[in-house]
Amino acid sequence: ELKVEQNPLFLSMQEGKNYTIYCNYSTTSDRLYWYRQDPGKSLESLFVLLSNGAVKQEGRLMASLDTKARLSTLHITAAVHDLSATYFCAVGDDNAGNMLTFGGGTRLMVKP
Amino acid sequence: EPEVTQTPSHQVTQMGQEVILRCVPISNHLYFYWYRQILGQKVEFLVSFYNNEISEKSEIFDDQFSVERPDGSNFTLKIRSTKLEDSAMYFCASSVRGLAGVYEQYFGPGTRLTVT
Repeated sequence: ELKVEQNPLFLSMQEGKNYTIYCNYSTTSDRLYWYRQDPGKSLESLFVLLSNGAVKQEGRLMASLDTKARLSTLHITAAVHDLSATYFCAVGDDNAGNMLTFGGGTRLMVKP
Repeated sequence: EPEVTQTPSHQVTQMGQEVILRCVPISNHLYFYWYRQILGQKVEFLVSFYNNEISEKSEIFDDQFSVERPDGSNFTLKIRSTKLEDSAMYFCASSVRGLAGVYEQYFGPGTRLTVT
C-alpha cells in the first residue's frame, strides 16, 4: 500500500522567511503533484513533477523531485501572507486508474 | 477557463437516506474521479471512471456507493444509505491524458455532505 507522508503538518512562519515542506512516499512513482487548498475551498494544482531531478518554480514556490529518495520538496522563498493555505502533495498511479494518493497536508500560516 | 462544477454545494441528509452528488467535468476530459475529505483530514481517493466503467476503486467505495455518467456531461456519485461517517466534503475531478502521459486532475469546488 502506497503511503505518502508530509512534514511538517503545521508551519507558522514570519513574512520574508524561507522554509521547506517535505513529502516522502513509499513506492516507486514518477508522478508527483502539489496542490494548494484554501479553507473551505477546492484543490488548486500548483506543480506536476514527472521525472527524477525535476524542478519547477512559480513565484515564491519551488518544487523538486528525487525519485531515488522518494522525496519531493516544496520550498517557500520570502514568504508572504497570501501564501497561507494548506499544501498537499499527491502521488499518481497510472496503473491504478490514475488515482492520486495524498499526503496529510501542511497547514502554512504566514504572519505579517 | 474551463472548470469542473459540482452541485449542490451543501447537502444535509438524514442517516439512511440516499443522496446523489452531481458533477460536470471539463468538456473534453475523459477520466473522472471522486475523492472525499473528512473535515481536517487528508483527501482520500474513492473511484476513477473511464469509458463508462470503473477503472479503480478504494476500500471506502463499498456497495453503498455507485457512480454513473447518465449523459454526455454529468458524472454522479450516489450513496444509497448514508451513514454519519459519510459526512465529508466530496470532490469531483477530471483529466485528460496530456503530454508525457500525465493525467493532471482538475478538481471541482466540492459538495459538503452532512449526515444527521
